Amino acid sequence: DAGVIQSPRHEVTEMGQEVTLRCKPISGHDYLFWYRQTMMRGLELLIYFNNNVPIDDSGMPEDRFSAKMPNASFSTLKIQPSEPRDSAVYFCASSLSQGIFVQYFGPGTRLTVT
Amino acid sequence: QKEVEQDPGPLSVPEGAIVSLNCTYSNSAFQYFMWYRQYSRKGPELLMYTYSSGNKEDGRFTAQVDKSSKYISLFIRDSQPSDSATYLCAMSGETSYDKVIFGPGTSLSVIP
Repeated sequence: DAGVIQSPRHEVTEMGQEVTLRCKPISGHDYLFWYRQTMMRGLELLIYFNNNVPIDDSGMPEDRFSAKMPNASFSTLKIQPSEPRDSAVYFCASSLSQGIFVQYFGPGTRLTVT
Repeated sequence: QKEVEQDPGPLSVPEGAIVSLNCTYSNSAFQYFMWYRQYSRKGPELLMYTYSSGNKEDGRFTAQVDKSSKYISLFIRDSQPSDSATYLCAMSGETSYDKVIFGPGTSLSVIP
């Protein structure tokens, strides 16, 4: 299996621009998670889906952030408009419902907003 | 007070040393306790997990959970340079589908 796939791996954009991060979970996994990692705040859960349905988005920092999962093999995290404080590494992870604490992480997208 | 606290380090030890990594937590509802390892510029990967209190051993790694003290530990015996990474403790609630709360991570360097 290819594991969780994320794109792009690196993104540099200017403040105010729209950013879209993409994730392909492991085939057969029914949970998908979006995390943000910074030195100051560590690894923060933004939102997670079960069977393509958002379960908990309480970690989404503000309305500028949105996430979708149109099908079992694809999810996006969008930031519009982006701000310098959004600079972080964004991880996607997937898991099976039998134990969602066993999460498989993608390589991450390193976002820099200037 | 944060739900999960962990000394960020960095921790530097010589090769072959025994390493002790620790976390404390405040939520008594946590039942699943995990340790994830994260190499530089990579995503975290699950190292091992335990349910409720007790010990679990996997090769050179031993995880301990003391729910009465709300304290968990990861011990690494005969540490190797390849163990150099950030170790994140993580916890979740009573059901296997409760969301996971991660600690901030401890950076470990094992010096040859």
